[in-house]
Amino acid sequence: SSELTQDPAVSVALGQTVRITCQGDSLRNSYASWYQQKPGQAPVLVIYGKNNRPSGIPDRFSGSSSGNTASLTITGAQAEDEADYYCNSRDSGDNHNYFFGTGTEVTVL
Amino acid sequence: QVTLKESGPVLVKPTETLTLTCTVSGFSLRNTRMGVSWIRQPPGKALEWLAHIFSNDKKSYRTSLKSRLTISKDTSKSQVVLTVTNVDPVDTATYYCARIHGLFDDAFDIWGQGTMVTVSS
Repeated sequence: SSELTQDPAVSVALGQTVRITCQGDSLRNSYASWYQQKPGQAPVLVIYGKNNRPSGIPDRFSGSSSGNTASLTITGAQAEDEADYYCNSRDSGDNHNYFFGTGTEVTVL
Repeated sequence: QVTLKESGPVLVKPTETLTLTCTVSGFSLRNTRMGVSWIRQPPGKALEWLAHIFSNDKKSYRTSLKSRLTISKDTSKSQVVLTVTNVDPVDTATYYCARIHGLFDDAFDIWGQGTMVTVSS
């Protein structure tokens, strides 16, 4: 299956930890990448590969995976982390098809 | 500085063909570790990957839209073009182009600002 399923919405108290999950068959053979999208803006890459952050992404963002589930954890959430988060992976074949998750809206209380 | 910028019509009529251009700067479309994808996002909905083109001109398409999509590139102009035939109001979306970089495990490391396209008569 090409679907990646995420919880629609989660909330976290300021300074606390939140984990966002992404489930799908493609994750058994491919790492997920994670994107943050704020209203009216283009997505921004926050995690890629096993658990890597692009330059400029705070170290409170981390990634992990197990079986068909990938997770993005924000440790010590800040007000500026309030956004939509999308996972992404590609199929393991030669087709190089990519799939985005359904998205999770994160609210920081 | 690496940038991507989308351009194209704001409004398209149903059944027409939509042509979008992504102009890149700061890297070459010949670079073997890089490629460019088109991704769209209907208002209030999730991101949807559409198509990808590699440096060697290999292409891949979203299975459900493959018959309507064509991606191509003009390396000399640093442009990647996406055409969508027979558009419908459900194709109304913000269309993004994004770079895939092998150094980032094939993640979309740089995105354009997006261009909003409305399909309506």
